[in-house]
Amino acid sequence: KQEVTQIPAALSVPEGENLVLNCSFTDSAIYNLQWFRQDPGKGLTSLLLIQSSQREQTSGRLNASLDKSSGRSTLYIAASQPGDSATYLCARGSQGNLIFGKGTKLSVKP
Amino acid sequence: KAGVTQTPRYLIKTRGQQVTLSCSPISGHRSVSWYQQTPGQGLQFLFEYFSETQRNKGNFPGRFSGRQFSNSRSEMNVSTLELGDSALYLCASRGAGITEAFFGQGTRLTVV
Repeated sequence: KQEVTQIPAALSVPEGENLVLNCSFTDSAIYNLQWFRQDPGKGLTSLLLIQSSQREQTSGRLNASLDKSSGRSTLYIAASQPGDSATYLCARGSQGNLIFGKGTKLSVKP
Repeated sequence: KAGVTQTPRYLIKTRGQQVTLSCSPISGHRSVSWYQQTPGQGLQFLFEYFSETQRNKGNFPGRFSGRQFSNSRSEMNVSTLELGDSALYLCASRGAGITEAFFGQGTRLTVV
């Protein structure tokens, strides 16, 4: 069974801190790995997509890495802000669908 | 460029009824996928449509069905609603190939 695991389930940090969110998956034969942000009651906002041939992607204060051999991806958020508070989801792309982790709920305290 | 549009945003239905949800993908995108999100199970894949054909299907009962039109808009139908069908239903659109998925704001379905 293909599974995606995100640890921790919840994280609270003070504003300004750098942080890392973890995502692990059981099948290294992935097409891509995508990170999303979800605000309460809302849809998913795509943050970064890493193709299987890539090792990392960067967008602003966000950096995502992919290590297929170990089945791991990390999302690095630099200089966190209260507006970063949300649930962060990673999803591994297979041929026709995305397989999601349960997410990490991030709270950034002012 | 318009994003993925889902209608309606909220629905309240009674057990036993049926419901139809709509999703308009990003212009030019031909793949539309549907997901169910619940607090207990998280996000689960329902099905994917590409060029009016169901290309992949998740592990949901036959009460859940969908279709896609020639303009790539998609509908999802749930018949004989159960209390456990209460969830946020999300659709995602993608362009050609295994590319970045973009999601709509979802339809919140409540079954009473």
